[in-house]
Amino acid sequence: NAGVIQTPRHKVTGKGQEATLWCEPISGHSAVFWYRQTIVQGLEFLTYFRNQAPIDDSGMPKERFSAQMPNQSHSTLKIQSTQPQDSAVYLCASGTGDQDTQYFGPGTRLLVL
Amino acid sequence: GDSVTQKEGLVTLTEGLPVMLNCTYQTIYSNAFLFWYVHYLNESPRLLLKSSTDNKRTEHQGFHATLHKSSSSFHLQKSSAQLSDSALYYCALSASNTNKVVFGTGTRLQVLP
Repeated sequence: NAGVIQTPRHKVTGKGQEATLWCEPISGHSAVFWYRQTIVQGLEFLTYFRNQAPIDDSGMPKERFSAQMPNQSHSTLKIQSTQPQDSAVYLCASGTGDQDTQYFGPGTRLLVL
Repeated sequence: GDSVTQKEGLVTLTEGLPVMLNCTYQTIYSNAFLFWYVHYLNESPRLLLKSSTDNKRTEHQGFHATLHKSSSSFHLQKSSAQLSDSALYYCALSASNTNKVVFGTGTRLQVLP
């Protein structure tokens, strides 16, 4: 079992460009979560899918962030018109169900210049 | 909405001394599930322990915590700190009608020789 896979591991973009982050959950896990990690805010919840359906996106900045899960093997987080304040580590986690253990990926470190 | 408070951003102590990391939470839902995740440098966050049972001590890898719903607390303790315990510790809450997980801002534990 390879664990949760996230690509790319590092991404540098210029202000105003688009960034797409990929996550492959552990096979058989029905829940997928996205978080943003910064020193100041810690781990901020962004969005959550269960069986590919969006359940809660209350943590997503509405204007420029979007997430999808087109199939059970991957999810994407897209940030349009990136800003320097979007710089963070974006973590994806998967689990077998609600209120269960979450297994985190290695994260994507995004730097917006 | 749901929230988790970890008041200490940094806890520094000497090897062999007891550890106590504070965690309190707020939720209007009765189905609260509390977690402690540990994040070692250059690794992914991983579950340390979890509980949903009031007043029951939960233990794992030398750490323990007891969920007290009356005081909305889930403090992490260890009798004797080791150098290898140095890491970032997150307390997390899953409740609400969507069961999303809300993390605290994290407490960095630094154990010195």
